[in-house]
Amino acid sequence: DAGVIQSPRHEVTEMGQEVTLRCKPISGHDYLFWYRQTMMRGLELLIYFNNNVPIDDSGMPEDRFSAKMPNASFSTLKIQPSEPRDSAVYFCASSKGQGATEAFFGQGTRLTVV
Amino acid sequence: GNSVTQMEGPVTLSEEAFLTINCTYTATGYPSLFWYVQYPGEGLQLLLKATKADDKGSNKGFEATYRKETTSFHLEKGSVQVSDSAVYFCALTPTGRRALTFGSGTRLQVQP
Repeated sequence: DAGVIQSPRHEVTEMGQEVTLRCKPISGHDYLFWYRQTMMRGLELLIYFNNNVPIDDSGMPEDRFSAKMPNASFSTLKIQPSEPRDSAVYFCASSKGQGATEAFFGQGTRLTVV
Repeated sequence: GNSVTQMEGPVTLSEEAFLTINCTYTATGYPSLFWYVQYPGEGLQLLLKATKADDKGSNKGFEATYRKETTSFHLEKGSVQVSDSAVYFCALTPTGRRALTFGSGTRLQVQP
């Protein structure tokens, strides 16, 4: 298996533009997570899905952020409009089943908003 | 709420030295505890885990024991290598939840 695949790996955009980050989870995994990593705040959970349904979006910073999972093999995180403070590394992770199972992380998307 | 506290880094050691990275947690119930490792430019990888009190997780020479009485899950390795240089994250999942709550991470630098 290729693991969790995120695209793009790097994104540089101007303030005010729309940004879409993409994630393909590991086949057969029923949980998908979006995390954000910054120097100031560390790793924060933004949202997670179970069987394509959002379960907890309390970490989404504000209405500018939205996430979707239209099917079991694809998810997007959209920021519109983007701001410089959104600059961070965004990770997608997936896991399978109940209990304390391992979450597999993608390599992340480094977003820079100028 | 749930939280994880790790020792500040960076931790700089010589090769073959003994490693301890402290981790304490706050959570209700009986969380599961994890150590993840992040190598430069990569995502996080699970290093080890423990799901109940007194469990010991181990992998690649690293160990950590779930101590409920001290709410701790300290990471140890008897002899570090240069290739162990990375950022180490302690994390938990509360009872009945799936999302991880991470500590701030501890950077380990091992010098030859």
